[in-house]
Amino acid sequence: DTEVTQTPKHLVMGMTNKKSLKCEQHMGHRAMYWYKQKAKKPPELMFVYSYEKLSINESVPSRFSPECPNSSLLNLHLHALQPEDSALYLCASSPSGTRERYGYTFGSGTRLTVV
Amino acid sequence: DAKTTQPTSMDCAEGRAANLPCNHSTISGNEYVYWYRQIHSQGPQYIIHGLKNNETNEMASLIITEDRKSSTLILPHATLRDTAVYYCIVRVEGGGADGLTFGKGTHLIIQP
Repeated sequence: DTEVTQTPKHLVMGMTNKKSLKCEQHMGHRAMYWYKQKAKKPPELMFVYSYEKLSINESVPSRFSPECPNSSLLNLHLHALQPEDSALYLCASSPSGTRERYGYTFGSGTRLTVV
Repeated sequence: DAKTTQPTSMDCAEGRAANLPCNHSTISGNEYVYWYRQIHSQGPQYIIHGLKNNETNEMASLIITEDRKSSTLILPHATLRDTAVYYCIVRVEGGGADGLTFGKGTHLIIQP
């Protein structure tokens, strides 16, 4: 398995809702990432988990709450979002601490719309 | 990570070689040049990376100048499916879980 799987592919949520994005990989990668991408902009790093511990938080608002239950799974919990949080949310993984022979592997993303 | 400079957009005819330049004049000795691409509404995809020697794989070739201040990604026979945003990134290989920093990239449009 050489893929990062993200669910759901599309999500529409109200500003008072609570929802979660899910990311899964079975490549044995020990680092996982969340990125946010607005239209016509490059992806921006949000969080990094290394060996299931949060190692980088790029000053992301607390309405975004990441969770790494195990080495294969990464969640992003969403609560009280604003319309400007509408974006494509990308998950990625990499073999932390080893040669990145094949680079980072990205999922196809979750297209989030906040109404 | 060192910064990179890429043209905003490029056109290439289908079947021809697409040559995408990248300037990275402040690259450090232990930093590699990575290329990723992002097809519309998909996640970025790793293409190739190299340190100082030219590299080739099934997707592309990477030519790095001798002074390492610039590089060129070559797609030898471009197809319509190669239309995408191409990102040039310089970073230390195996640099740990620090995340990739994307610049604005080059929007490559393959014309039929």
